Amino acid sequence: DQQVKQNSPSLSVQEGRISILNCDYTNSMFDYFLWYKKYPAEGPTFLISISSIKDKNEDGRFTVFLNKSAKHLSLHIVPSQPGDSAVYFCAASPLSNFGNEKLTFGTGTRLTIIP
Amino acid sequence: EPEVTQTPSHQVTQMGQEVILRCVPISNHLYFYWYRQILGQKVEFLVSFYNNEISEKSEIFDDQFSVERPDGSNFTLKIRSTKLEDSAMYFCASSGLAEEQYFGPGTRLTVT
Repeated sequence: DQQVKQNSPSLSVQEGRISILNCDYTNSMFDYFLWYKKYPAEGPTFLISISSIKDKNEDGRFTVFLNKSAKHLSLHIVPSQPGDSAVYFCAASPLSNFGNEKLTFGTGTRLTIIP
Repeated sequence: EPEVTQTPSHQVTQMGQEVILRCVPISNHLYFYWYRQILGQKVEFLVSFYNNEISEKSEIFDDQFSVERPDGSNFTLKIRSTKLEDSAMYFCASSGLAEEQYFGPGTRLTVT
């Protein structure tokens, strides 16, 4: 079951530069997309989300872009900081006005910020 | 800031034993979930729970698994007879209406 794919298992970026993490999905029913950050021995921490009615959502250093026709989304972090080193998970669900939709996760990308 | 908490952080059990994993969701949230992550694999949905009943469950969530909200604050996952393949990190999550899901720190379950 590869409904959500993160094809890069790891990424190294110089501090201060832009980090771009990519995610592809196959299920046309997905309408809501999220990025989570995970440190070892901790649970996933919510970062940013986007619904399919938008193509961009920004929150501070984090911006998520959605290309629905290509079934592709990306997370941009700029500028990258050493504390951003973690595993980043893309997740997707159908959009519901009532919540309660299960999340389907990608396999994650390990981001390392080089000082 | 409110957060989801889980206990214990690590549980070691023998195959065939029952385990109960406990979670305290964020207090004003309505929806509760369990996910698991087997070492080296992706985070997988197990079950969602709303209004004191299961909303959806995955194929993984067979008759050996059950969930309960025994009081106004706790949300539990019970595995009746653990198998070696149940060894994983188990994450509890909660969400409000049409909001993102917030995850707890996880319980590492080791079945020997």
